[in-house]
Amino acid sequence: QLQRWGAGLLKPSETLSLTCAVYGGSFSTYYWTWIRQAPGKGLEWIGEINHSGSTNYNPSLKSRVSISLDTSKNQFSLKLSSVTDADTAVYFCARGFHWHFDVWGPGTLVPVSS
Amino acid sequence: QSVLTQPPSVSGAPGQTVTISCTGDTTNIGTGYDVHWYQQLPGTAPKLLISSDNDRPSGVPDRFSGSKSGTSASLAISGLQTEDEAYYYCQSYDNSVRGAVFGGGTNLTVL
Repeated sequence: QLQRWGAGLLKPSETLSLTCAVYGGSFSTYYWTWIRQAPGKGLEWIGEINHSGSTNYNPSLKSRVSISLDTSKNQFSLKLSSVTDADTAVYFCARGFHWHFDVWGPGTLVPVSS
Repeated sequence: QSVLTQPPSVSGAPGQTVTISCTGDTTNIGTGYDVHWYQQLPGTAPKLLISSDNDRPSGVPDRFSGSKSGTSASLAISGLQTEDEAYYYCQSYDNSVRGAVFGGGTNLTVL
């Protein structure tokens, strides 16, 4: 089970910060992933981190994205800097295994507006 | 513009079979990477429907099946039910992105 929390409305140029907590199951077997969905649009993979801290990011976002984890709390976090209107989306945390995502958090809408 | 291409919408009557296509290229599906399918009901998170081309997670009815050939994959839904109305997304790995890529999604309407 995944539960997330983080900031709501952001202004352009601010930094988006979200955290996802993992309840139950092994933290070490999987890749912990962030995926987003702009309003009325499809899904976009943002990036992932594994238990040892190895990360992979979508090249289109790589310069602005950072994913970290806190193994002591079974949590992982997303930071996306210099946000614009185009970053307005529902952000999902998910559990990745062999490049598919079998458990998803409920998603949080992060609006960006001046 | 999504890396994987799906039809925007499909429809069918209750009891019928519909198929949703997913077209990629040689950097993803055509290389043999697995294709996965998700169902998303309005206002909810996507749910894994098919993994690794044609594996159904526990609890997914056998009315849902997947296939893959060349640079394309398909999701078939037989015995359509009204509760199948949802968006469906295909997903694979892409070796130029070095990460997951999704289709643009297909809206299934049960007439």
